[in-house]
Amino acid sequence: DAKTTQPTSMDCAEGRAANLPCNHSTISGNEYVYWYRQIHSQGPQYIIHGLKNNETNEMASLIITEDRKSSTLILPHATLRDTAVYYCIASGGGADGLTFGKGTHLIIQP
Amino acid sequence: KAGVTQTPRYLIKTRGQQVTLSCSPISGHRSVSWYQQTPGQGLQFLFEYFSETQRNKGNFPGRFSGRQFSNSRSEMNVSTLELGDSALYLCASSLRHPNTEAFFGQGTRLTVV
Repeated sequence: DAKTTQPTSMDCAEGRAANLPCNHSTISGNEYVYWYRQIHSQGPQYIIHGLKNNETNEMASLIITEDRKSSTLILPHATLRDTAVYYCIASGGGADGLTFGKGTHLIIQP
Repeated sequence: KAGVTQTPRYLIKTRGQQVTLSCSPISGHRSVSWYQQTPGQGLQFLFEYFSETQRNKGNFPGRFSGRQFSNSRSEMNVSTLELGDSALYLCASSLRHPNTEAFFGQGTRLTVV
C-alpha cells in the first residue's frame, strides 16, 4: 500500500462541513483510496472509497485530485457523533491487508 | 442483518497460556481478516481467510494462527502468550477477497498478565 499522510488532529464546529485531507503522492494506478473511521472503543467503520472519480454516499463525499496524489473526505454536516479517528488508506488489495496509519483525530465541537 | 460478532469481548490470560478468539462474519461474507490494535503500533494486519484458505499474512510470529470454517466463521489462536500480546483483536468481514471494503466487529480485548 502507498504511504498516506494525514494531519494528527482537526477541530470542526457542529453543523459545519468537516474536510479531512490526505496525501498519497506515491499512489500507484491500481490503488484505491479508502476511508475508515474508528469511534472510541469500537471497531473501524468503512466510510467510502474511490479510484479517480469523486464519490458520494450517505455518509460522506470523497474528492480525489486529478493527479491522484491527494484526496479530501467531506462530512457535509458534522455532528458530535462524528468525533472519531479517521484513517485514509491507499490500497490495491495486496498481501498486507489494509495499512492503517495514525489517522486524523477529528473533534466536533458543540 | 446482524453485524460481525466477536467472542469473547474481554479475556484475561496468563503469560505462557494459549487463547482462541472467535469471529462470526456477516451472513454471506466469505472473507475474514484479523487485526491487532495496540496503543504503540496502531492497527496491524494479522491474516485474511477466504473460502477456508489463508490468502494473506501479516508480519507476526508463528504463534499467531487462524483458520476459517465452511460456514465462514473464523478463529484465531495465539500460543505461548506474551505480555506484549495484550491488545484489541479485531475481525473484519467482506463479501470478496481482498478484504478492503471491510465491516469490523467490536473486537476482543485480550489482557495478558
